[in-house]
Amino acid sequence: NAGVMQNPRHLVRRRGQEARLRCSPMKGHSHVYWYRQLPEEGLKFMVYLQKENIIDESGMPKERFSAEFPKEGPSILRIQQVVRGDSAAYFCASSPPAGGGEQYFGPGTRLTVT
Amino acid sequence: GENVEQHPSTLSVQEGDSAVIKCTYSDSASNYFPWYKQELGKRPQLIIDIRSNVGEKKDQRIAVTLNKTAKHFSLHITETQPEDSAVYFCAAPNTGNQFYFGTGTSLTVIP
Repeated sequence: NAGVMQNPRHLVRRRGQEARLRCSPMKGHSHVYWYRQLPEEGLKFMVYLQKENIIDESGMPKERFSAEFPKEGPSILRIQQVVRGDSAAYFCASSPPAGGGEQYFGPGTRLTVT
Repeated sequence: GENVEQHPSTLSVQEGDSAVIKCTYSDSASNYFPWYKQELGKRPQLIIDIRSNVGEKKDQRIAVTLNKTAKHFSLHITETQPEDSAVYFCAAPNTGNQFYFGTGTSLTVIP
């Protein structure tokens, strides 16, 4: 059973470009969460999605950031017009349909904005 | 929303000694409390968790205790080994499954 997959693992973007981060949950999992981790800091919740639904996006900046989890394919976190402050590790986690329990993390995407 | 505080931020122990990390939370509705271990450059890995209907759970050298009245839970690592060196995070959910993470404890086990 493959774990949570994320790609790319490393992404370099110039200021003003767009970054697209992908997350495929574990098989059988229908809940996806995105977190951001700045260097030597903790994990900050960004958004919680189920298939075709955004359940909670209270942790996501209102501008430039968007997320989706389509019926088919991976969940995508999109950052438009990136700035240097967006440089961070972005982790995706997934949990089973019942919710309210374990979240398993992917390997993360390390975004560097130059 | 939930507020999770974690202490200490750094912890150094001699190999073979015990390590204890404590977290407090604010939302009395929280009912699931996981602990994650994150090695440098790696993903957070779930190492143990506890639900609010029990007070203690143990898995080999790792244990977690929960005091719902006081709203705190602790991670206990006994007979520490160098490979236990990592950053440990506690978490607590809000009613909507969103996890609030503590700020992390950097544990160093000195051989």
